[in-house]
Amino acid sequence: EDKVVQSPLSLVVHEGDTVTLNCSYEVTNFRSLLWYKQEKKAPTFLFMLTSSGIEKKSGRLSSILDKKELFSILNITATQTGDSAVYLCAVGWTSGSRLTFGEGTQLTVNP
Amino acid sequence: DAGVTQSPTHLIKTRGQQVTLRCSPKSGHDTVSWYQQALGQGPQFIFQYYEEEERQRGNFPDRFSGHQFPNYSSELNVNALLLGDSALYLCASSRTGGIMNTEAFFGQGTRLTVV
Repeated sequence: EDKVVQSPLSLVVHEGDTVTLNCSYEVTNFRSLLWYKQEKKAPTFLFMLTSSGIEKKSGRLSSILDKKELFSILNITATQTGDSAVYLCAVGWTSGSRLTFGEGTQLTVNP
Repeated sequence: DAGVTQSPTHLIKTRGQQVTLRCSPKSGHDTVSWYQQALGQGPQFIFQYYEEEERQRGNFPDRFSGHQFPNYSSELNVNALLLGDSALYLCASSRTGGIMNTEAFFGQGTRLTVV
């Protein structure tokens, strides 16, 4: 059965800290791994990773994929209170197809 | 450019009733997927529509059905509602075909409460 596991499930940090969120997966016909940020309702897209070892960056966020060890990490540096959200990891099978999500990591950044 | 739009935003139904949720995909997208997200959980895939046909289905009973229209918009129908159907229902659109994946864009969701 396809599985996506995120850790930790919950994390509380202070502003300015750096955090690393983990995502491991066991999915047949893997095509891509995606990270989303969910604050209220709609998950908003952060990154899509398809190749190992290529870091993707957007401001203070970065992510990398290891297809051999079947995991990805999402790093957030110099955290801000606005980073407080649930971060979802999802694996896609083929183009435009279904996503299998992990449970998410609830990140709380305190001032 | 309007993103993915869903209606209604909130809905309260009684056990045994039927409900229809609606989704309009992002411009240029032709594929619509529906997800159910229970409180504190990640979204669970219900099904996906492309070219007006159900292409993939998750582990959901036949009470959950859908439709895609020629303009790519979609409906999710749930019959014989159970208390356990209370959740946030998310619609995601993407573009199918070609070599590269396109990421899925999500709507704001419909919060369904069954009482």
